Amino acid sequence: DAGITQSPRHKVTETGTPVTLRCHQTENHRYMYWYRQDPGHGLRLIHYSYGVKDTDKGEVSDGYSVSRSKTEDFLLTLESATSSQTSVYFCAISAGDRYNEQFFGPGTRLTVL
Amino acid sequence: GQNIDQPTEMTATEGAIVQINCTYQTSGFNGLFWYQQHAGEAPTFLSYNVLDGLEEKGRFSSFLSRSKGYSYLLLKELQMKDSASYLCAVRDPNDYKLSFGAGTTVTVRA
Repeated sequence: DAGITQSPRHKVTETGTPVTLRCHQTENHRYMYWYRQDPGHGLRLIHYSYGVKDTDKGEVSDGYSVSRSKTEDFLLTLESATSSQTSVYFCAISAGDRYNEQFFGPGTRLTVL
Repeated sequence: GQNIDQPTEMTATEGAIVQINCTYQTSGFNGLFWYQQHAGEAPTFLSYNVLDGLEEKGRFSSFLSRSKGYSYLLLKELQMKDSASYLCAVRDPNDYKLSFGAGTTVTVRA
């Protein structure tokens, strides 16, 4: 399972509240990604990281920030949650031995009321 | 920009064959991936194509034509457990990011 965990797995919060989601990996991989998945849109990249303190924006980065102070942890923060950020959030790493394919964490279901 | 299209839904009978098409128009290309995602679970890697042709892996095969911007995933001898969403994704050659299609939900009926 590539040693990826996400926390929390479920969260309900209110509009305007800050929220931080954590992705943790145990195998020292360099690349980490945050996606959101919504019906009809598939997986969309929010932010990604190519090393400690090295991050860049994806296609839907507005309203989100990230931090990576250690190789194993990649944090996604919603500074002031909105109802449009209700979604399932997946973390991923590039880890495949042959194709460098991405492996996904179990996901976090976030509901913003 | 990235434009990746797949059918939204497909239905097939147990034991049959289903072909899921994916067409793409992207600013760059460094391989095409297929992922399987069961309801409520994370996507899992199925196959990878970077050169034209067919890659076979058990009951699943994936085909790529780079000149046509086209791929398909072929599922043979369908089983009930194959009911899932199938995601097509193209990798960017500059930064290795993946762009995903919206996914195709396959329902296998007895």
